[in-house]
Amino acid sequence: DTAVSQTPKYLVTQMGNDKSIKCEQNLGHDTMYWYKQDSKKFLKIMFSYNNKELIINETVPNRFSPKSPDKAHLNLHINSLELGDSAVYFCASSWGQGGEKLFFGSGTQLSVL
Amino acid sequence: ELKVEQNPLFLSMQEGKNYTIYCNYSTTSDRLYWYRQDPGKSLESLFVLLSNGAVKQEGRLMASLDTKARLSTLHITAAVHDLSATYFCAVDIGSGTYKYIFGTGTRLKVLA
Repeated sequence: DTAVSQTPKYLVTQMGNDKSIKCEQNLGHDTMYWYKQDSKKFLKIMFSYNNKELIINETVPNRFSPKSPDKAHLNLHINSLELGDSAVYFCASSWGQGGEKLFFGSGTQLSVL
Repeated sequence: ELKVEQNPLFLSMQEGKNYTIYCNYSTTSDRLYWYRQDPGKSLESLFVLLSNGAVKQEGRLMASLDTKARLSTLHITAAVHDLSATYFCAVDIGSGTYKYIFGTGTRLKVLA
């Protein structure tokens, strides 16, 4: 069983479209994250949720809207996609008290044309 | 703002050689993590270091943490081709922060 699963793995779309990425973890963790990895491999945190509550929002444009219906799921909806949104988006989970490693999903490669 | 820097950014080395990757961070923390990423793949955890002087070893990799110097090292002993990957360090700044800041990554290529 995959611990952190993301869908879709690849997403190719036109500028201006709206798209969603889904993430689910079966590890029982209470904290989930979205990270963006750009073409230079830099990893930047976007959001973190603890027990469905938004904790971190790292000055991400409000075209990005995360939603956590329960603590096992964290989805990312992106409105009005722009070329600069092209990247790999990783979902991750952990226990939220710190000192715990992150478990990553397999990533979603988003290409905006 | 917490900054995490790694060097070198790129490393090409011969099989059988030793080398060290450095991770410097800019604020007080005693929690540091190392991850490995293969091309086109996800990140997997290698080491969790949670105190000053912590040292962990797995196979040809050994990681250490000096919180006073705000420095962690990842030492590679007798490199083999299978170690070719990108290595990231990450820091979290305490319980309840829910925020892990990643280093710039070191792209390692081991030549046969």
